[in-house]
Amino acid sequence: GQNIDQPTEMTATEGAIVQINCTYQTSGFNGLFWYQQHAGEAPTFLSYNVLDGLEEKGRFSSFLSRSKGYSYLLLKELQMKDSASYLCAVLDSNYQLIWGAGTKLIIKP
Amino acid sequence: GAVVSQHPSWVICKSGTSVKIECRSLDFQATTMFWYRQFPKQSLMLMATSNEGSKATYEQGVEKDKFLINHASLTLSTLTVTSAHPEDSSFYICSARPSGSGDTGELFFGEGSRLTVL
Repeated sequence: GQNIDQPTEMTATEGAIVQINCTYQTSGFNGLFWYQQHAGEAPTFLSYNVLDGLEEKGRFSSFLSRSKGYSYLLLKELQMKDSASYLCAVLDSNYQLIWGAGTKLIIKP
Repeated sequence: GAVVSQHPSWVICKSGTSVKIECRSLDFQATTMFWYRQFPKQSLMLMATSNEGSKATYEQGVEKDKFLINHASLTLSTLTVTSAHPEDSSFYICSARPSGSGDTGELFFGEGSRLTVL
């Protein structure tokens, strides 16, 4: 079966750095997405990786290793507004998006 | 960026009634739109893929006669929850991918519609 694993919840301090991991086992791979979702709101796009390596976009970076079936989202200089759920999603061989359960990130002052 | 508008944001209805939710892409055309439901503290669950001009493709376990999807134009898809029951209470979200952006194009999400069935 297809499976995406990410931690259920993480806690970090304002101003710090946090890394949210995502491992996947899917039938084929056509890219991995990270989305941010604040409580009660729709998800918003953060990043898309299809090649190995690190992609940086401001305070957020996303890394992919296809051979390991692994990705992480790195958030630097954490702000209180970064408190949200972070969803990892993989595009499989049929171009279907397989969603992880999401990681709830709690930022403390 | 591209905008997807979803309406209504909140709806409360009596058990047995039908509710229609609209999803519009405001500044782009979308051949394909997606409908999800999300229970509290859980991830998105894809319900169906809505294709303009053809029948929707439903995910396993989703009743197509209960969740009617119509994609009548390149900018509008509707989800009708027929004969709603309390267990249908959920957060329903649509997303759309601009036509021509390919299967890996960015998805743009509507604001979501919170349905409460009494």
